[in-house]
Amino acid sequence: NAGVTQTPKFQVLKTGQSMTLQCAQDMNHEYMSWYRQDPGMGLRLIHYSVGAGITDQGEVPNGYNVSRSTTEDFPLRLLSAAPSQTSVYFCASSMGTGKANYGYTFGSGTRLTVV
Amino acid sequence: KNQVEQSPQSLIILEGKNCTLQCNYTVSPFSNLRWYKQDTGRGPVSLTIMTFSENTKSNGRYTATLDADTKQSSLHITASQLSDSASYICVVSHTLYGNNRLAFGKGNQVVVIP
Repeated sequence: NAGVTQTPKFQVLKTGQSMTLQCAQDMNHEYMSWYRQDPGMGLRLIHYSVGAGITDQGEVPNGYNVSRSTTEDFPLRLLSAAPSQTSVYFCASSMGTGKANYGYTFGSGTRLTVV
Repeated sequence: KNQVEQSPQSLIILEGKNCTLQCNYTVSPFSNLRWYKQDTGRGPVSLTIMTFSENTKSNGRYTATLDADTKQSSLHITASQLSDSASYICVVSHTLYGNNRLAFGKGNQVVVIP
């Protein structure tokens, strides 16, 4: 098993550009989520999904869109990048949102810089 | 206000020594508490998960404790190694509007020197 795979690892965007951060997991996990990690702050939830076809907003959803067409994939879209979106982005998956004691598996992150 | 506070923010320890990291939380209703290790440039990796009824759990040289009454947890690293240099993140799982959510601390940055 590869676990949670994120691509790309690094990306530089110009303000106003759009891009998609990819996340794929091969563990058949129901729950997938996107976090951003900024210096001096804990990870913050952007969007999450409890299964294919179901998505919901997290703590900081503005400027980001998601979709969940398959169990395996959960892409994060930036429609018009802003410098405030410069951050490290982590995708995480878990076996079930209702099963609170299951662990979360994190990807290795995407470091995004918006200039 | 951050619902998960960790201390110290950073510390430097000599290889072979022990250290203890602290986590205080105000999150409720509480489901469980997790400690993660995050190496530089990598994603967090789970070390321990403790529920309300558990007050200690070990994973090799890592031992976590939980006092659910005082809402405090600690992570003890025994006989530290250079590979223990990392950020250690305390994460409290709670329920929000029926959904499970994670509240993250900012992390304890540990540097082990030879």
